Amino acid sequence: AQKVTQAQTEISVVEKEDVTLDCVYETRDTTYYLFWYKQPPSGELVFLIRRNSFDEQNEISGRYSWNFQKSTSSFNFTITASQVVDSAVYFCALSEARLTGGGNKLTFGTGTQLKVEL
Amino acid sequence: DSGVTQTPKHLITATGQRVTLRCSPRSGDLSVYWYQQSLDQGLQFLIQYYNGEERAKGNILERFSAQQFPDLHSELNLSSLELGDSALYFCASSVDAVRDTQYFGPGTRLTVL
Repeated sequence: AQKVTQAQTEISVVEKEDVTLDCVYETRDTTYYLFWYKQPPSGELVFLIRRNSFDEQNEISGRYSWNFQKSTSSFNFTITASQVVDSAVYFCALSEARLTGGGNKLTFGTGTQLKVEL
Repeated sequence: DSGVTQTPKHLITATGQRVTLRCSPRSGDLSVYWYQQSLDQGLQFLIQYYNGEERAKGNILERFSAQQFPDLHSELNLSSLELGDSALYFCASSVDAVRDTQYFGPGTRLTVL
């Protein structure tokens, strides 16, 4: 069975600090996808990034960067120079990619509440 | 704005009642998913439809049912409501059934009193 663990329940930082959100996953599949979603106080779920299991290249998008390491089953998310607008709950998620039968359900972690203060 | 719409935004009802939540996927998306977010269970997958057919099922209660119509919009029906059904219900959509990114709607907040 798939499982996603986000051990950090809540993180508080001061603006401009860098912060890393941890995500560890478990799956028996060799082909899978990993995601990060952001849930701001307004409640919607905003897609941030998707990686497939064959692409371990790290990705950077502005102040956001992601580190995918298959050897440790981790997909960590770093925000550089955090801002108050980054305050949100961040979810890591995993989906299998079974081409024959089955679907595309996302298994979510419990989320990390990030609070960025002035 | 993800392009996925959900109505209503808020719903307040009493125990034992039945409600219907509606979702319109992004233009071009054939797959629709329903998720429930509650404080004790977190974000849980309920069910997936692809082009009108049920594709995958999660821990969806028997009191809950869903369908996807020919115009690809979907409805989630919740009946015999209990206090524990109070939650945020999200709809998501994707192009295909297996690999594509899911984009989420704004959610429907259901309160059962």
